[in-house]
Amino acid sequence: GEEVAQTPKHLVRGEGQKAKLYCAPIKGHSYVFWYQQVLKNEFKFLISFQNENVFDETGMPKERFSAKCLPNSPCSLEIQATKLEDSAVYFCASSRVGYSNQPQHFGDGTRLSIL
Amino acid sequence: SQQGEEDPQALSIQEGENATMNCSYKTSINNLQWYRQNSGRGLVHLILIRSNEREKHSGRLRVTLDTSKKSSSLLITASRAADTASYFCATRNRDDKIIFGKGTRLHILP
Repeated sequence: GEEVAQTPKHLVRGEGQKAKLYCAPIKGHSYVFWYQQVLKNEFKFLISFQNENVFDETGMPKERFSAKCLPNSPCSLEIQATKLEDSAVYFCASSRVGYSNQPQHFGDGTRLSIL
Repeated sequence: SQQGEEDPQALSIQEGENATMNCSYKTSINNLQWYRQNSGRGLVHLILIRSNEREKHSGRLRVTLDTSKKSSSLLITASRAADTASYFCATRNRDDKIIFGKGTRLHILP
């Protein structure tokens, strides 16, 4: 598609439950990025992919967070055993080329609320 | 400390006035980008300025970059109600890491 599509728009989970978010990058874009935005503040980088390969995972919490980008499927970000502090908006972005002067194209995010 | 700090944190101006936002950073960069975020939406790329450029224009946007001071400014001229949004700078450093600042919330008053 012509836009980065993120689903669902809103996700509510009880503390301790699992949360799974999805992202379909723009067709033809090889790189996918995940960010976490808490309280409309800065965008914290989580992880990036080049096609189905992890490119940079330095922002990913060591525990509970995992992500995948499999061929012919939306990318996913999964949080196990969610905590209250995981409440945030999670944004996915894609770019045609990874680390260069290319801008990133963002989806509208998934708002995750942990109760 | 945060690479890419915008200032001010919030700015309210009358429609038709110019809005200026600043961004400071700490390490050497390859380029600096400005993005806009409307309420409830993702970031929209506005403009990119390379480290060897000093000024760039795009429509009503003017971006400057001063690498000696490690700072950039975004000027929006003749502001409109539709410019109400948060504006973020993002820097790409020599390791190709992209880091976003905390943003400036701009409110255009009718």
